[in-house]
Amino acid sequence: KQEVTQIPAALSVPEGENLVLNCSFTDSAIYNLQWFRQDPGKGLTSLLLIQSSQREQTSGRLNASLDKSSGRSTLYIAASQPGDSATYLCAVFPGYSSASKIIFGSGTRLSIRP
Amino acid sequence: GAVVSQHPSWVICKSGTSVKIECRSLDFQATTMFWYRQFPKQSLMLMATSNEGSKATYEQGVEKDKFLINHASLTLSTLTVTSAHPEDSSFYICSARDFSGTADTQYFGPGTRLTVL
Repeated sequence: KQEVTQIPAALSVPEGENLVLNCSFTDSAIYNLQWFRQDPGKGLTSLLLIQSSQREQTSGRLNASLDKSSGRSTLYIAASQPGDSATYLCAVFPGYSSASKIIFGSGTRLSIRP
Repeated sequence: GAVVSQHPSWVICKSGTSVKIECRSLDFQATTMFWYRQFPKQSLMLMATSNEGSKATYEQGVEKDKFLINHASLTLSTLTVTSAHPEDSSFYICSARDFSGTADTQYFGPGTRLTVL
C-alpha cells in the first residue's frame, strides 16, 4: 500500500531564505507526482507536476525534483516571501489506469516571517 | 488549465437537514470525479470515487447512505450530505480527472465549507 510522508510537518523561516520541503513515498511505481499549495480555508492550487520519466520541474522560484528509485521528491523555494506562507501538499498518482487514486501526504505548514 | 467549480462555496444549515454540493468540470469531460473532506490542519481524506453512469465507490468507513453521490453527466457530480449533524461540518473538496490521451491529471475545485449548527 502506497504511503506518502511529508517532513517537516511545520516550518517557520525568515523572509529571504531558501528552503526545501520533503516528500517520500513507499512504492516507487508511480505515474506522476504533484505539489500543491493550500491557503487557509481555500482549495488546492497546483504548483508543479513531475511525470515519472522526469527528474525535475521548475516554475519561477519553485523547483521540484523527483527520485523514483529512492522514493523521494523535494520542493525547493528560493528567496522565500511572506506570501509563500501556506500548506504545501505532495500527491502521488500510483498508475495510469482508471482505478488509480491520488494519494496525498499530510502536508507541511510553511510560515515565512517578515 | 482546466477548471473545476464547486457550488456553493460555503453553506450553513441546521442539524437534520440535507445539503447538496455540486462539482462541475468546466472545459473537459470527466468520467471520474473524486470527493474529499478535510478537517482543520489535516490533509485531504478521500471519501468516494464518482463514476459517470454508475454507482460511486466509497472508501472504507464512509457511509454511502449518508453521503449520496450522483454523477449525472460527464461534467457534473453532486454530493448530498443527508440528515447533516455538527460532526459533518468540514471542508469538502471535489476533483475531476482528465484521463485522456497520454495525460492523467486531476483538477481540484475550490472547496465547500459546510457548517452544521
